[in-house]
Amino acid sequence: QKEVEQDPGPLSVPEGAIVSLNCTYSNSAFQYFMWYRQYSRKGPELLMYTYSSGNKEDGRFTAQVDKSSKYISLFIRDSQPSDSATYLCAMSDSTGGFKTIFGAGTRLFVKA
Amino acid sequence: DSGVTQTPKHLITATGQRVTLRCSPRSGDLSVYWYQQSLDQGLQFLIQYYNGEERAKGNILERFSAQQFPDLHSELNLSSLELGDSALYFCASSVQGVGNTIYFGEGSWLTVV
Repeated sequence: QKEVEQDPGPLSVPEGAIVSLNCTYSNSAFQYFMWYRQYSRKGPELLMYTYSSGNKEDGRFTAQVDKSSKYISLFIRDSQPSDSATYLCAMSDSTGGFKTIFGAGTRLFVKA
Repeated sequence: DSGVTQTPKHLITATGQRVTLRCSPRSGDLSVYWYQQSLDQGLQFLIQYYNGEERAKGNILERFSAQQFPDLHSELNLSSLELGDSALYFCASSVQGVGNTIYFGEGSWLTVV
């Protein structure tokens, strides 16, 4: 079993839709949770960063962490064609190694 | 712009050759990471350095090696190249403090022919 599971998609939605992207994980030691956006053949760009459980909102983006279920989500409201990209979840603990584990990424297409 | 600089951006080389990819981390970041991303594949963690010392090792082939220099820049050396080594190679850096947020460079696109 992978430490981080993420549905690779692709996910295709119409412009204006609410998008839900999710990851599950198995390591209860993870405390830091991140979402990255990667456009084709570009470097991943940090979108959201959350510590422990709870919600964080930034514009049209909301990140949720449910540590009890080992489940994290990224919601995109009023999706735009420019949101079309691959979204990677990532998580890490703070104990030794400092290794961040990435999900495989979900490819999102927003149709105009 | 993440502040992480990678060179070269594109590289085409023949099988059996050796190449060196270079990375300058963000100012103040002590930790450097190398990742490989093949076509339609996820990010594969290769290796991490912290302040000049190897900290963690992932799926890095024996033909590959890396180092971090006193000025904190890093190099990834790929030797005896094979067609399957064609990929995007990303460098990333972090402060290595609480939070461990990683910032990525734009990548070096390696094509082995």
